[in-house]
Amino acid sequence: DAGVTQSPTHLIKTRGQHVTLRCSPISGHKSVSWYQQVLGQGPQFIFQYYEKEERGRGNFPDRFSARQFPNYSSELNVNALLLGDSALYLCASSFDREVYGYTFGSGTRLTVV
Amino acid sequence: SQQGEEDPQALSIQEGENATMNCSYKTSINNLQWYRQNSGRGLVHLILIRSNEREKHSGRLRVTLDTSKKSSSLLITASRAADTASYFCATDAGNYGQNFVFGPGTRLSVLP
Repeated sequence: DAGVTQSPTHLIKTRGQHVTLRCSPISGHKSVSWYQQVLGQGPQFIFQYYEKEERGRGNFPDRFSARQFPNYSSELNVNALLLGDSALYLCASSFDREVYGYTFGSGTRLTVV
Repeated sequence: SQQGEEDPQALSIQEGENATMNCSYKTSINNLQWYRQNSGRGLVHLILIRSNEREKHSGRLRVTLDTSKKSSSLLITASRAADTASYFCATDAGNYGQNFVFGPGTRLSVLP
């Protein structure tokens, strides 16, 4: 059974550009969350989606947006990229996070130059 | 600000020794979870302990939770070089607006 898959694995963008990151959850998982991890720090919560609806949003600017599709895959979009957006972006899916926790993908390493 | 704070920030031990990491948090939680991360890759779920549990075991892992002190500890017994990684605690308040709140992590190095 495939785990959580994220694409692309690495990405280099220029300041001011837009980026779209993609995530496919484990089959049967309806909940997808996005986290940003800056080097040397713990992951910071960005968004959670469940059944295509936004269920939670972290303390990130409106430049960050996301959506979940009918097949439960998800996209994270970031507009007007800043140097400070350089980070590892992690996607996680769960069947029931309070019982099983999250399964994380390997992440997308975004570098903004 | 981060809810959980791991201690120590870094830990270096010899193979075969035990490693203990601690996590403190600030608000009430439904459960606390520990994750491992190798070399900046994805996080791997290790163990979940509910707020009404005090201790949990999984293989070489032992987790304790003291809700009165708002703290948890992760013990890895008989460590191996493959245990070298960063370890994070994550608190779940059951509040979708907060989701999981991770600490900054403990970097464990197990020397052969």
